[in-house]
Amino acid sequence: AQRVTQPEKLLSVFKGAPVELKCNYSYSGSPELFWYVQYSRQRLQLLLRHISRESIKGFTADLNKGETSFHLKKPFAQEEDSAMYYCALSGFGNEKLTFGTGTRLTIIP
Amino acid sequence: DAGVTQSPTHLIKTRGQQVTLRCSPKSGHDTVSWYQQALGQGPQFIFQYYEEEERQRGNFPDRFSGHQFPNYSSELNVNALLLGDSALYLCASSLGGARYSNQPQHFGDGTRLSIL
Repeated sequence: AQRVTQPEKLLSVFKGAPVELKCNYSYSGSPELFWYVQYSRQRLQLLLRHISRESIKGFTADLNKGETSFHLKKPFAQEEDSAMYYCALSGFGNEKLTFGTGTRLTIIP
Repeated sequence: DAGVTQSPTHLIKTRGQQVTLRCSPKSGHDTVSWYQQALGQGPQFIFQYYEEEERQRGNFPDRFSGHQFPNYSSELNVNALLLGDSALYLCASSLGGARYSNQPQHFGDGTRLSIL
């Protein structure tokens, strides 16, 4: 079974402070991990995926298979980072996405 | 490119009725997936259509059915509506086929369905 856990429903961080949004997963095969973001009044959109190993808007995420984690990090938070963040998982060759319950990130000016 | 478009944006139905939601994929995409998002939850996978066939299905009852048309657009049908079917229904499109496995999914704005 596929499962994604985001332990924090709400997270508040001061502008300029580091941000870490936690994501743990459970999957028996080779997982593919994603972070999706939803800004206010906008649709859900892909932020980054682990196989790309990109940094998008200053965010990075490393897949840790030993700890089954895919935490999202940014060294210096900006006000425009306030949004809802969802971690999601799919299996290789299996496009069904399993989402976590999401973390609402609020950046305090 | 308007991206994924869904209609209608809002819908109110009563218990026992039937509903049809529609989705047009992003230009160039041939695979459509449907998700249900209850309040305070992440999206839950309902099913996926590729080449006009249901390719994968999540843990949803047979009351939930779908269709994909030759132009890749898709419909989600829900019969015998229950109060618990009240949710945001999201459509996502991607480029399918084994060659394009696990391509990113692009989401629409969703249809908010309320059951009275």
